[in-house]
Amino acid sequence: EAGVAQSPRYKIIEKRQSVAFWCNPISGHATLYWYQQILGQGPKLLIQFQNNGVVDDSQLPKDRFSAERLKGVDSTLKIQPAKLEDSAVYLCASSPTTGLNNSPLHFGNGTRLTVT
Amino acid sequence: KQEVTQIPAALSVPEGENLVLNCSFTDSAIYNLQWFRQDPGKGLTSLLLIQSSQREQTSGRLNASLDKSSGRSTLYIAASQPGDSATYLCAVNVMYSGGGADGLTFGKGTHLIIQP
Repeated sequence: EAGVAQSPRYKIIEKRQSVAFWCNPISGHATLYWYQQILGQGPKLLIQFQNNGVVDDSQLPKDRFSAERLKGVDSTLKIQPAKLEDSAVYLCASSPTTGLNNSPLHFGNGTRLTVT
Repeated sequence: KQEVTQIPAALSVPEGENLVLNCSFTDSAIYNLQWFRQDPGKGLTSLLLIQSSQREQTSGRLNASLDKSSGRSTLYIAASQPGDSATYLCAVNVMYSGGGADGLTFGKGTHLIIQP
């Protein structure tokens, strides 16, 4: 089974610029997550989708971050405008079931963002 | 708010030793607990998932235990090998009243080095 695909792998931008990340989950996985991992920290949940609806975006900085999952498959995460503190690895994960479940999450390799 | 703490933050041991990584969480109302491995520049790989009703899970040389009432989990690695060198992350899946989000809350991880 193909894993979670993310692109790009690396991105360097200047502060106040915009950037977008893309994620293609494992085929058939209903739930998709975006996590932010700052160096030396554990991943922090930004947003969770169930099919094409948002389940939880309580930790998403909505003044600058946005995400969508059209058609319940691929997802994009956008930052506009970027700040220095947004430098992190952005991880996408998916799981096969909806709602509370006991299925492990499958993670992509992430996009490393550097804001200068 | 759920907080997850992992001790130690870093560990270096000679090959062949058995070792224990510790994880503690503040809110015992969890749905499950997961242990992940993260290699440099990579995403997370799920190692073990323990449901809240379970006490332990085993996979090969790995054994994870869960004491929900005390808010603790341990990951036991038997006969460690250089290939086990990685960062190990503990995460809990929190139960929210009324159902809802099941995004994971992560610890900061234990950076493990196995010396050949």
